[in-house]
Amino acid sequence: DQQVKQNSPSLSVQEGRISILNCDYTNSMFDYFLWYKKYPAEGPTFLISISSIKDKNEDGRFTVFLNKSAKHLSLHIVPSQPGDSAVYFCAASIRGGADGLTFGKGTHLIIQP
Amino acid sequence: DTGVSQNPRHKITKRGQNVTFRCDPISEHNRLYWYRQTLGQGPEFLTYFQNEAQLEKSRLLSDRFSAERPKGSFSTLEIQRTEQGDSAMYLCASRIQGMGELFFGEGSRLTVL
Repeated sequence: DQQVKQNSPSLSVQEGRISILNCDYTNSMFDYFLWYKKYPAEGPTFLISISSIKDKNEDGRFTVFLNKSAKHLSLHIVPSQPGDSAVYFCAASIRGGADGLTFGKGTHLIIQP
Repeated sequence: DTGVSQNPRHKITKRGQNVTFRCDPISEHNRLYWYRQTLGQGPEFLTYFQNEAQLEKSRLLSDRFSAERPKGSFSTLEIQRTEQGDSAMYLCASRIQGMGELFFGEGSRLTVL
């Protein structure tokens, strides 16, 4: 039973445009959400997070939006750059992150020149 | 380099052999996690430690798997009598208790022939 779902295995975006990666979750107990970025042959790297008490968190080119009623979050990257090409994982946890993370399957973002 | 360190980075073994992976977390992090990642999937939780105590184990962790963190610093993950289905990337992560994001190592890739 996938509690965190990323339904788009891949996404292609032109350089300079906005990239929007989506994530849905089923467990209403999740209260802390994170996005990780992963290059081939490397471990995941933390990008940005959001607590369930917020609906938006911004860090430079990266913004995460949380819609609790829809159990949906999204990561916006603007403007997209070639170095953003990677696999992006959505992750969720309970109790503000005290527990381990549950990951989605990832979305492979490809930035086209 | 003060990040999470894992070794070996890649291990090729024959079915039935035992393998051991080591993880050195970030020094001040008291929580250490092991995850497994297979192709096309996100990282899947295996187990975690708070200091030297193993607090939770996933049902993915069969009795052929054992993890230790004897002095609350580095950890080892041993797989006995390896099977081809054990082929995966084994990821270690650490964090300070109460903080949300996990810091991952680069992973140890296991190939069972």
